[in-house]
This record gives sequence, structure tokens and C-alpha cells, in this order.
Amino acid sequence: EVQLVESGGGSVKPGGSLRLSCAASGFTFSGAWMSWVRQAPGKGLEWVGRIKSQTDGGTTDNAAPVKGRFTISRDDSKDTLYLHMNSLKTEDTAVYYCIREFYSFDYWGQGALVTVSS
Amino acid sequence: QSVLTQPPSASGTPGQRVTISCSGSSFNIGSQTVNWYQQLPGTAPKLLIYGNNQRPSGVPDRFSGSKFGTSASLAISGLQSEDEADYYCAAWDDSLNGRVFGGGTKVTVL
Repeated sequence: EVQLVESGGGSVKPGGSLRLSCAASGFTFSGAWMSWVRQAPGKGLEWVGRIKSQTDGGTTDNAAPVKGRFTISRDDSKDTLYLHMNSLKTEDTAVYYCIREFYSFDYWGQGALVTVSS
Repeated sequence: QSVLTQPPSASGTPGQRVTISCSGSSFNIGSQTVNWYQQLPGTAPKLLIYGNNQRPSGVPDRFSGSKFGTSASLAISGLQSEDEADYYCAAWDDSLNGRVFGGGTKVTVL
């Protein structure tokens, strides 16, 4: 059974940093492309970015609102995906979902809440 | 403002057919496949339709997807109370080099 479990969410002040982790199980993590999608309170879904498998280059793509501030990385030896968030803004407040990407977002984690507030 | 345009709401009585539209451009729906996601209240989204019209295992055949040109649609036939949820369309956008979503459609069963 595919499982994606996010951790590391919490409250942070504007300008601060936070790192989310996503522990994957039930599939071959090293061969998977992985993505992050966020959802602000009461709002719709917003793509944050993705990382390809090492076989496909291991490169990342990020959405414009987070480019230069957020970095996606992976540790295939630990079956773990990361989202490093710097220079956080109040508008980054959202639930962040870890997702396996296989032509679509076929498996989602339960989400981790990040609150950016002074 | 979402790149893909969906109506904010749709409704129907049990057993009715409800259709949700998703409008895009040649950079996304016009050249890429469309996926649909269902988000039940208080839960994470779930894949409902992929590749324009394919259902993952376990998704009832009451749900169907289609695409024509730069638009796509999701149909729910034989509407049931458990179908009350938010529905999102999504596609890759070649000009933005990223995934884009519709703003979501809240389906209410009257």
C-alpha cells in the first residue's frame, strides 16, 4: 500500500525558515517523480514544485511564487522527500501535500499545516 | 486567478447528472492531458480521472471525463450524497512550465 506521511509543519514568523519531510513507503521511491501542492485555508489547490527521479536527471521545477525561496530535494536512501522553505511570507500559510507523480498526482499524503504569522 | 477556469459551484438532486467544465488554453488543456481530483470535506484530494478520461481502480463508473480542444469536462451521473465534494481539474502548462489547477467546483447534492 502506498503511503506518504508529511511532517515538520508548524508556526513560523515572516522571514523564517521551515523544512517539511515526506516519508514514502509501498512503492519504489527512487524511481518516482514527486511533487508538492499546497492549499491555503478555504482556498483551492496550488502546485508548488516537483523533483524528477535521479534516473530522469533529478532536476526540479518550481512555481513562480516560490522560486528562489523554496527548494525541493530527495534522499532516495531514506525514501524521503523534502521541501526547504526560506524567506517565508504570510501568504505561504497553507496545508502542504506530498504527492507521487505518475502522469498525474496519483497518491497524496494527508498534508502538513504551515502557518506564517507574526 | 486560476489558469484553468471552473464554475465555483454545481448542484443536483440524487440520481441526476451533473457536469463540471474546465476551460484553458493551447498551452495547457489544448496540448496536455487533463486530470480531475475530488476533495471530500476535511480530507486530502484524491485522483478521480487521469489522461482526460481514464478512471483509476476503485473509482465508480458514474464519473467520466472528456476533453475537446482547450476545454474539458467532468460528468457525474446518478449523483449520490457522498459525491458532495470539491472537484479540481489540472494540467501541465507549457508556457509556465508547471502544473496548473482550476479554482475548484463545489458540488452540492440537494
